[in-house]
Amino acid sequence: NAGVTQTPKFQVLKTGQSMTLQCAQDMNHEYMSWYRQDPGMGLRLIHYSVGAGITDQGEVPNGYNVSRSTTEDFPLRLLSAAPSQTSVYFCASGTVRMNTEAFFGQGTRLTVV
Amino acid sequence: DQQVKQNSPSLSVQEGRISILNCDYTNSMFDYFLWYKKYPAEGPTFLISISSIKDKNEDGRFTVFLNKSAKHLSLHIVPSQPGDSAVYFCAASGNNAGNMLTFGGGTRLMVKP
Repeated sequence: NAGVTQTPKFQVLKTGQSMTLQCAQDMNHEYMSWYRQDPGMGLRLIHYSVGAGITDQGEVPNGYNVSRSTTEDFPLRLLSAAPSQTSVYFCASGTVRMNTEAFFGQGTRLTVV
Repeated sequence: DQQVKQNSPSLSVQEGRISILNCDYTNSMFDYFLWYKKYPAEGPTFLISISSIKDKNEDGRFTVFLNKSAKHLSLHIVPSQPGDSAVYFCAASGNNAGNMLTFGGGTRLMVKP
């Protein structure tokens, strides 16, 4: 079972570059979300979606865009990378209520130099 | 200001003894609490949860206790095993749009053989 798949696993960007982190799930989950993990700060919500065509901002949305054209895919776009966006990014999906259980991808480690 | 806090960044326990991980929250609208376990280079995986209508939930070696008046929850692992060594995240969810999860900063548990 694939579950939640994130690509790439590692990425190095130069300041000002843009890129898209891919996330796909095969569990037909309505809810999807993106988190970033920084030391001592846990996971912080960037953007989330409660269904295809619907997205909303989380706690730290600045510098990121998302779209949800299909149930399966939820890409995260960095518009102009900054060193402050160096982090580990996790995509998660879940059923109607995410608090029942969320399934996470393996993460993308992004370094911005 | 962090709404979910794990004040102990790390905890070291001898194999076979009890591990107690603590978590405090400030938002009284949270009605569901979860613990996630994370190994290096992997995404978090769901461990156990508790609804605000309960004060205890048990699953094998893992028990979560909730004290609503103190806005405090704890995870007990008995007996602790070396394979339990990981980072544990406390998370909370309220009846907000998307029911997204708010995470604590994590506690690194080391179980020594």
